[in-house]
Amino acid sequence: DSGVTQTPKHLITATGQRVTLRCSPRSGDLSVYWYQQSLDQGLQFLIQYYNGEERAKGNILERFSAQQFPDLHSELNLSSLELGDSALYFCASSPLSGAANEQFFGPGTRLTVL
Amino acid sequence: GENVEQHPSTLSVQEGDSAVIKCTYSDSASNYFPWYKQELGKGPQLIIDIRSNVGEKKDQRIAVTLNKTAKHFSLHITETQPEDSAVYFCAAMINQAGTALIFGKGTTLSVSS
Repeated sequence: DSGVTQTPKHLITATGQRVTLRCSPRSGDLSVYWYQQSLDQGLQFLIQYYNGEERAKGNILERFSAQQFPDLHSELNLSSLELGDSALYFCASSPLSGAANEQFFGPGTRLTVL
Repeated sequence: GENVEQHPSTLSVQEGDSAVIKCTYSDSASNYFPWYKQELGKGPQLIIDIRSNVGEKKDQRIAVTLNKTAKHFSLHITETQPEDSAVYFCAAMINQAGTALIFGKGTTLSVSS
């Protein structure tokens, strides 16, 4: 158990809908990263927040957004969902940002778009 | 940007044999190289990492080597056991703000008893 929690574990929804994925980092970690894992693209970095502020952006679609709240939990919002958004979404946390800090992954949320 | 290539994509060994997984990276500014193990239905688990000021690191049956000149790093698992069966990912990261881990495509390791 990494100490990172994610909810829900599974999410099934329809195209065009909007969903919210939630992540609670390990106690004391200030940085949260979101990754998408699909069979064809592998593990891809989406976005990072550090202590409430966006710190880095990867291959995140404009339909996707995220935020980190004062209690340090983070939410990833996915809107206007398409079939191709079906994937595993992981959150990872680390104590700091930028420097080579170890990232610990949560168990993931499996999103299925029908 | 950084690109990480990982080989092989699948690897089958007998219990007790050694397994080696290799990765190459493109950006010479990368200086942090973790390895993750992912079991079915679970998130990636950090198993070992190495920083650019070190050439080799060992933790019990697993070791990682880094060749910065050639820009490649490898994971070595000795005395493999069935519970080592999983997907292994290498990753690289540049030590500067605004960057994140770039992952290889993964290696599915199967250890048969």
